[in-house]
Amino acid sequence: GEDVEQSLFLSVREGDSSVINCTYTDSSSTYLYWYKQEPGAGLQLLTYIFSNMDMKQDQRLTVLLNKKDKHLSLRIADTQTGDSAIYFCAEARSNDYKLSFGAGTTVTVRA
Amino acid sequence: NAGVMQNPRHLVRRRGQEARLRCSPMKGHSHVYWYRQLPEEGLKFMVYLQKENIIDESGMPKERFSAEFPKEGPSILRIQQVVRGDSAAYFCASSPTDGTDTQYFGPGTRLTVL
Repeated sequence: GEDVEQSLFLSVREGDSSVINCTYTDSSSTYLYWYKQEPGAGLQLLTYIFSNMDMKQDQRLTVLLNKKDKHLSLRIADTQTGDSAIYFCAEARSNDYKLSFGAGTTVTVRA
Repeated sequence: NAGVMQNPRHLVRRRGQEARLRCSPMKGHSHVYWYRQLPEEGLKFMVYLQKENIIDESGMPKERFSAEFPKEGPSILRIQQVVRGDSAAYFCASSPTDGTDTQYFGPGTRLTVL
């Protein structure tokens, strides 16, 4: 199976909060990333968190890391139609440059 | 400061032809990574290069695929004798140094093999 797992789909109403979840398997992961991919476009780095942190906030984005459970989440406050995209969780393991990606969560924002 | 550039953005090839994908890293970045995204899957690491050196090609198929990053010019991912299963989005990323530095991705090249 995949080393990084995400739920595949999320539908959210405009103005509500979105929460995208991710689990990873390698406890030596040092950085965990969230990337956004809009239709037909490349990956845009949204935010990242270092493994010794529990939380990171950046404007509408909040990342929570539960290292014990190897669980990462991305919360988007006041979700807008422009937030509709695929969101990828990725881990970078200690001393390893290879990023391991989840399959992506497709977020659909409905009016 | 321009981001990572890739071209072409879309490439159509017939089975048996060659595909050449180009990647220019961000200014000041000397490390390049190629990833492949198959339909409805996450990105999978293929190869990591520094200028004139292949550091790790463990994710690249043993046959038909090759990559280079010459002293001058962009990094090239070359696929010889393409097959339908090569149809995918190929993303290039760059970083200023290796390991823990954040990788910045280009827009990708979408290869379609007819």
